Amino acid sequence: SYVLTQTPSVSVAPGKTATITCGGNNIGSKSVQWYQQKPGQAPVLVIHYDSDRPSGIPERISGSNSGNTATLTISRVEAGDEADYYCQVWDTSSDHEGIFGGGTKLTVL
Amino acid sequence: QVQLVQSGAEVKKPGSSVKVSCKAAGGTFSSYTFNWVRQAPGQGLEWMGRIVPLFDSSHYAQRFQDRFTITADDSASTAYMELRSLRSEDTAVYYCASYSDTSGGLDSWGQGTLVTVSS
Repeated sequence: SYVLTQTPSVSVAPGKTATITCGGNNIGSKSVQWYQQKPGQAPVLVIHYDSDRPSGIPERISGSNSGNTATLTISRVEAGDEADYYCQVWDTSSDHEGIFGGGTKLTVL
Repeated sequence: QVQLVQSGAEVKKPGSSVKVSCKAAGGTFSSYTFNWVRQAPGQGLEWMGRIVPLFDSSHYAQRFQDRFTITADDSASTAYMELRSLRSEDTAVYYCASYSDTSGGLDSWGQGTLVTVSS
């Protein structure tokens, strides 16, 4: 089955830019979603269709997808951005099963 | 956007079954696709399966196919998941989440239901 690979942790200072990557075979041909999950809370969709933001998600959060890597970028990082971030795709080879990456813990220094 | 409210925490013995409900409020129940995602303590998200109430059609991740069932009751606007033959490794928070073509993702989530499997 399709595999998504994420770096387990990323650390960034407040005000800087955080880059979180999600690797997968030819992931650029798929639509990627990103979810933010804070401790004790359900995940929240922050990026869909590679780069679209749901209403209420700040413009500081953006996404891109090309080749074998999808990227979530958080600009001007704030303390409130500290969370786990998961990428996700629908695997068309298995009747659109949901596939999640292992998650990246974003730590704001 | 649909609001999802799940049933409360459960404690089960190994070998038993658990059934968790997910009540939807807002929107048209049959127009949504309901997914179940679980998260073991300290671990990542794992997709388990989905149901499309409009077509009464379900699909499960292969590793759960033989002991996992998702159903939906349109009259009650509620989706259910049942996991059988529970083992300690099934201890997790179970989330229902709705999919919409508008977002292409899981844009509404329930609050989660902790299922603890322990003898």
